[in-house]
Amino acid sequence: GAVVSQHPSRVICKSGTSVKIECRSLDFQATTMFWYRQFPKQSLMLMATSNEGSKATYEQGVEKDKFLINHASLTLSTLTVTSAHPEDSSFYICSARNPSSGYNEQFFGPGTRLTVL
Amino acid sequence: QQQVKQSPQSLIVQKGGIPIINCAYENTAFDYFPWYQQFPGKGPALLIAIRPDVSEKKEGRFTISFNKSAKQFSLHIMDSQPGDSATYFCAAANGGATNKLIFGTGTLLAVQP
Repeated sequence: GAVVSQHPSRVICKSGTSVKIECRSLDFQATTMFWYRQFPKQSLMLMATSNEGSKATYEQGVEKDKFLINHASLTLSTLTVTSAHPEDSSFYICSARNPSSGYNEQFFGPGTRLTVL
Repeated sequence: QQQVKQSPQSLIVQKGGIPIINCAYENTAFDYFPWYQQFPGKGPALLIAIRPDVSEKKEGRFTISFNKSAKQFSLHIMDSQPGDSATYFCAAANGGATNKLIFGTGTLLAVQP
């Protein structure tokens, strides 16, 4: 149990276009999902907390108009990188909190590698 | 005060050795301390986690030691294998608030055959 999927696993886009990344909890309902970005050989940086049916909470320094987050159901959250630029190239990882699994443990998706040309 | 300091940055051990990775925190409100394993190009996978009401937890070859007074915790990997070569992250969270995970900087472990 506690499987989280992401789609796509890799995406290459041109500068100025928008890219949508999906995060799904496959075998549990996640009232809260988190979005992280990770640069090579660095730790995970939390971008935002996504709660089902409400607006996402963004971390300081993360542009909410650039990184649009939607959490329309208990099993799906999406991150849209709008007007992507090369500096947005990174590894984006989502996690989902399983409220019935111990201490609200977070389970991570496999990540999405975004490359902006 | 929200930081979690992790050391060493990298670690090389021989097969069968016991690598130890250490983490320290400042925020006494943290009450959940997980360890994650990450392979290149993959998302982190939860290995083991501990709460501050116990000083040690074992799951298979992985052991967490927790020192509440020193605000430190560590991961020990018994009988390490080449397949354990990965990056390990400690983290901390305050479950009473937002439950956001604060990650350490990571340790790149290489287990040589």
